[in-house]
Amino acid sequence: AQSVTQLGSHVSVSEGALVLLRCNYSSSVPPYLFWYVQYPNQGLQLLLKYTTGATLVKGINGFEAEFKKSETSFHLTKPSAHMSDAAEYFCAVSDTTSGTYKYIFGTGTRLKVLA
Amino acid sequence: GAVVSQHPSRVICKSGTSVKIECRSLDFQATTMFWYRQFPKQSLMLMATSNEGSKATYEQGVEKDKFLINHASLTLSTLTVTSAHPEDSSFYICSARLAGAANTGELFFGEGSRLTVL
Repeated sequence: AQSVTQLGSHVSVSEGALVLLRCNYSSSVPPYLFWYVQYPNQGLQLLLKYTTGATLVKGINGFEAEFKKSETSFHLTKPSAHMSDAAEYFCAVSDTTSGTYKYIFGTGTRLKVLA
Repeated sequence: GAVVSQHPSRVICKSGTSVKIECRSLDFQATTMFWYRQFPKQSLMLMATSNEGSKATYEQGVEKDKFLINHASLTLSTLTVTSAHPEDSSFYICSARLAGAANTGELFFGEGSRLTVL
């Protein structure tokens, strides 16, 4: 079975500082991996995704993530935090084998950006 | 990009009534839609997979008679919370993926519907 672990339910960074949100996954088959952002009372917006190919993927709003198979990780980073980055971030792994593409979500990390 | 719309965004109802939430794919066809439930400050819990023209597949622990899902067309899935009770109050989010060859595994999410049962 697939699973996703997000270390740190809350992360605080200063404006302009590096953002690092951790995601580790468990999957017996090559996974599709995603990062989504959620603002209060809204749905999820895709930040970036890894399916195949280049392991360093760039997304919107300056975010990027690197798929490291040996570490089963897909950490999300941004060089310089902005106040508007404050939100909830979810890592997800997709089941590519059953044909359903069900997503398994991590528990989420709430990012707080300090002025 | 593909757009998924949910309606209503907020609904308040009395205990014992039924509430229907619609999920529409606006500019693409979706053979499969997913319904999630999100409790405050928690992650998304998959409730069921909705397949166009067939019965939904429910996750373990989700009452299919309580949460009725209908996927009558390639652009519309509905979730009906029957005989709602306060414990059903939650944020419900639907998602859809592109059908056929256009599918990249990515899901497109609706804006969510906040249900409050009094």
